[in-house]
Amino acid sequence: AQKITQTQPGMFVQEKEAVTLDCTYDTSDQSYGLFWYKQPSSGEMIFLIYQGSYDEQNATEGRYSLNFQKARKSANLVISASQLGDSAMYFCAMREGFLDFGNEKLTFGTGTRLTIIP
Amino acid sequence: EPEVTQTPSHQVTQMGQEVILRCVPISNHLYFYWYRQILGQKVEFLVSFYNNEISEKSEIFDDQFSVERPDGSNFTLKIRSTKLEDSAMYFCASSVLAGGLSTDTQYFGPGTRLTVL
Repeated sequence: AQKITQTQPGMFVQEKEAVTLDCTYDTSDQSYGLFWYKQPSSGEMIFLIYQGSYDEQNATEGRYSLNFQKARKSANLVISASQLGDSAMYFCAMREGFLDFGNEKLTFGTGTRLTIIP
Repeated sequence: EPEVTQTPSHQVTQMGQEVILRCVPISNHLYFYWYRQILGQKVEFLVSFYNNEISEKSEIFDDQFSVERPDGSNFTLKIRSTKLEDSAMYFCASSVLAGGLSTDTQYFGPGTRLTVL
């Protein structure tokens, strides 16, 4: 089974609209972290937002927010007021068992390519 | 703002040759990582490194791969005898620690695109 599932290979959104990128995860650990990264066409990986499994509130960072629904095992990224510069690949990632030494790896999803239309 | 740097940005090599990819992690970070991304595919974990030893590695990280922190600032990935399937973007990342705090986020470098001919 996939650890991280991103079901939207591509999305097109009108500039200034909000967009939700879906991410579901699979883990039996109680302690885990969920991350979103942005990869523009230039190739670098830019950290956007983090949500810990014990965090009570949804994470927010500027125009980015994470809609964390623990029971449904989903961690959707919401981008408000989209801009042309938001056009990129977006990856959801998970780190499991962060209370244990030797569990540092991030497991990535296959990504969603977001295109903002002017 | 501090950032992870990687050199070279692009490396072309012949099959069977050794390559060394270099990274300078963020200065106060203690954990270092290598990931790779084959063109058009998802990012895959290779190895994590802490306190001068490997703390976790994936199945991809076989005997052809090694990592080293030769001095106080550099972190290197060596591929001893490159294969065609090693062609990928290689990302270095670092984090302060590896706990569950937001400050333990892994920050990625810009990547080195390795092309094996």
